[in-house]
Amino acid sequence: LAKTTQPISMDSYEGQEVNITCSHNNIATNDYITWYQQFPSQGPRFIIQGYKTKVTNEVASLFIPADRKSSTLSLPRVSLSDTAVYYCLVGKMDSSYKLIFGSGTRLLVRP
Amino acid sequence: DAGVIQSPRHEVTEMGQEVTLRCKPISGHDYLFWYRQTMMRGLELLIYFNNNVPIDDSGMPEDRFSAKMPNASFSTLKIQPSEPRDSAVYFCASSLYNPGDSGPQHFGDGTRLSIL
Repeated sequence: LAKTTQPISMDSYEGQEVNITCSHNNIATNDYITWYQQFPSQGPRFIIQGYKTKVTNEVASLFIPADRKSSTLSLPRVSLSDTAVYYCLVGKMDSSYKLIFGSGTRLLVRP
Repeated sequence: DAGVIQSPRHEVTEMGQEVTLRCKPISGHDYLFWYRQTMMRGLELLIYFNNNVPIDDSGMPEDRFSAKMPNASFSTLKIQPSEPRDSAVYFCASSLYNPGDSGPQHFGDGTRLSIL
């Protein structure tokens, strides 16, 4: 059961790069790592997903070391609108396991 | 493209009343999920369907909760009778594949339920 551990909260300033690390020591061989973003009064929104090394899209980058026991979501040059809760999920749904959102990391971007 | 559509957006009702929440998933998606979010418990998975069949309902709090998916384009979550502790935001999500198998869940805007 690949549980995840993230910081409860982080503060940053506009224009800075933000890195949020998620620990998942028990990740299974076939597990993907997925990150979601949630704004108040909205449902979570998919940001990025990866299996190993590095994945980049127009929003963020995901860095995964070789042992895959952790991953880092990198948000370049954050703005006030990036203030949200960020969730790291590992694994997939099957008869014995459910993806769990956990508490997430509450990111506050200050002017 | 239309996303996941939930209705109503807000529901206020009195304790003991029946509440029905509705969800239309994204066309073609094989998986549908119902979540509940509260400050105390965070985002909890209640039940999920694959090809209209309930796969795991272990997150459903008690017998007062029931969910159905009569066809690929519609699902309901029903609470009968409702209680104040059921007050929460209920989200529906859908996905094309198993969400851990490469592919995201797409969430609706949620239904904010208040039981008085």
